[in-house]
Amino acid sequence: GAVVSQHPSRVICKSGTSVKIECRSLDFQATTMFWYRQFPKQSLMLMATSNEGSKATYEQGVEKDKFLINHASLTLSTLTVTSAHPEDSSFYICSAQSGQVNTEAFFGQGTRLTVV
Amino acid sequence: GENVEQHPSTLSVQEGDSAVIKCTYSDSASNYFPWYKQELGKRPQLIIDIRSNVGEKKDQRIAVTLNKTAKHFSLHITETQPEDSAVYFCAASGTGTASKLTFGTGTRLQVTL
Repeated sequence: GAVVSQHPSRVICKSGTSVKIECRSLDFQATTMFWYRQFPKQSLMLMATSNEGSKATYEQGVEKDKFLINHASLTLSTLTVTSAHPEDSSFYICSAQSGQVNTEAFFGQGTRLTVV
Repeated sequence: GENVEQHPSTLSVQEGDSAVIKCTYSDSASNYFPWYKQELGKRPQLIIDIRSNVGEKKDQRIAVTLNKTAKHFSLHITETQPEDSAVYFCAASGTGTASKLTFGTGTRLQVTL
């Protein structure tokens, strides 16, 4: 299957700082990427849908000014957690798909964010 | 929006037995139902998926059934092995935003020797 690479895999940051997470589709063009957050022993919760060249669509309850998403190319989307707080500590995972509807979603390896 | 419920939350079976995980969904427009296996700290891995134009799909020890009328779908794992131990998530997506997946709450499967 296709490869989606996510970096970094782990990051520790201080409260109040910002962290950028990258999601790259290595061997296909991803017109749509999704960002999920997963707390321990819980399911994946969709945060936002990122479309290349347009603004991201955020799920209800997700602060768009806190979780900045950029999808500047067909192979790269970034999630920036701004002014991070300990409650933002979580596992963040991206997924990417080609332009077709209901095709397989390929997930990045995830980023474990710890805010201290 | 779509709501996906998944049961049971935990499941323990002996090696060689079968395991069944069930999900229900709310949006009758959903037409794609993947199942993912996730090991601790790792990315979800697609193990099987089914689309609404079929009622059953099988891949070796894994099968999925779909009942569109009742809006539920199930994962069946036969001849379970210790390496099947993981968390399994069902998901559903439909028309609209390209393949936006709504995940179930997950089932922690433990296969004991």
